Amino acid sequence: DAGITQSPRYKITETGRQVTLMCHQTWSHSYMFWYRQDLGHGLRLIYYSAAADITDKGEVPDGYVVSRSKTENFPLTLESATRSQTSVYFCASRGEFNQPQHFGDGTRLSIL
Amino acid sequence: QKEVEQNSGPLSVPEGAIASLNCTYSDRGSQSFFWYRQYSGKSPELIMFIYSNGDKEDGRFTAQLNKASQYVSLLIRDSQPSDSATYLCAVTGSSASKIIFGSGTRLSIRP
Repeated sequence: DAGITQSPRYKITETGRQVTLMCHQTWSHSYMFWYRQDLGHGLRLIYYSAAADITDKGEVPDGYVVSRSKTENFPLTLESATRSQTSVYFCASRGEFNQPQHFGDGTRLSIL
Repeated sequence: QKEVEQNSGPLSVPEGAIASLNCTYSDRGSQSFFWYRQYSGKSPELIMFIYSNGDKEDGRFTAQLNKASQYVSLLIRDSQPSDSATYLCAVTGSSASKIIFGSGTRLSIRP
């Protein structure tokens, strides 16, 4: 099915571990985004990408790394997970300027 | 001042009434405006977008935009219990590369 998929849907890991969240879209959208959503903070932008090999920081990039070698994939890596990174992570994509974003189903990440 | 502001609610509306959700934004160069609905535990879902001043209607939903006042609103007519959710206002900044989200308004439709 066309769309945007995130994996895994749920993940539990320990502090200090590296974890990668995957995001794949089949629309050939130029833009892709990673957000985290915590109670009381709404959606906060972590990183975004305007095209393959072009990424930029959002509001809360510290502790995260992204890459975009292919248009359809935009993985998010927590290099050394901390408890404060426990959250729900949403990936989104959209076409060119002024088009709406569409979200994946999210990854619920718990760091113990 | 936040870039996109919404009243957090909760906004309680009786079933069958009109729910009115409001949003203000700070960037006068903003070009595109979106409303998303988010059910608890789910991802945001696009319900309306508007680019020009005035009203845009889609079924029970009407989006209203006033760029001079930097104000965008969403009206939901004949509110149903299934409309109970958090509604996120989102605005494309003048650079158009990012969409800025408000913190959302919780809407509760009481039977």
